Amino acid sequence: DVQLVESGGDLIQPGGSLRLSCVGSGFNVNTNDMAWVRQAPGQGLEWVSVSHSGGSTYYSDSVKGRFIISRDISKNSLNLHMNDLRAEDTATYYCTRDKRVLGGLIPLAYWGQGTQVAVSS
Amino acid sequence: DIQMTQSPSSVSASVGDRVSITCRATQAISNYVAWFQQKPGKAPKALIYAASSLERGVPSRFSGSGSGTDFTLTISSLQPEDFATYYCHQYFSYPRTFGQGTKLEIK
Repeated sequence: DVQLVESGGDLIQPGGSLRLSCVGSGFNVNTNDMAWVRQAPGQGLEWVSVSHSGGSTYYSDSVKGRFIISRDISKNSLNLHMNDLRAEDTATYYCTRDKRVLGGLIPLAYWGQGTQVAVSS
Repeated sequence: DIQMTQSPSSVSASVGDRVSITCRATQAISNYVAWFQQKPGKAPKALIYAASSLERGVPSRFSGSGSGTDFTLTISSLQPEDFATYYCHQYFSYPRTFGQGTKLEIK
């Protein structure tokens, strides 16, 4: 079974940095498209970043230049390095994985349980 | 960036009712739309992909339709477990985006 387990969420001061990690089990993180989605308290879903198996990465406008998505092959994990954190980055961060099906793919087919990030002084 | 405008933002309905939620994209996105269900305190769950394809294990009372800019999620006969928040999602281009969500409540 595919499982995603996030960690690294914390209370952090504005301007600080944090690294989130997502360990995958039941599949190879390196050969799948993986993404981060966040949800601010009481708000809707916001797509954050993707790391394609081929190496390309993309970011939302709100995090571009501050967040970096990466993979750790040795740990079968996906990371999100967050810098210059702001109050508006406060959210539950979910790790997700696409699923390839015949003729296409299911985006964000698998989700972790989420890890909470709070940015406050 | 492609914006997804979802409506209504909330709807009250009864068990057995038929409910439809719509999503409109700011530009044509072919059929690159997925729908997700989220219950309080839980991660979202994929229901529909490619606008109208049902994810494995999702009940057949859920259906999706649309292409281009206008998309619809329909629940044919509401069950108690369907009361949740629903989101549309475009994966036509980056950055990917979500609709604002529709909260489906019990009348």
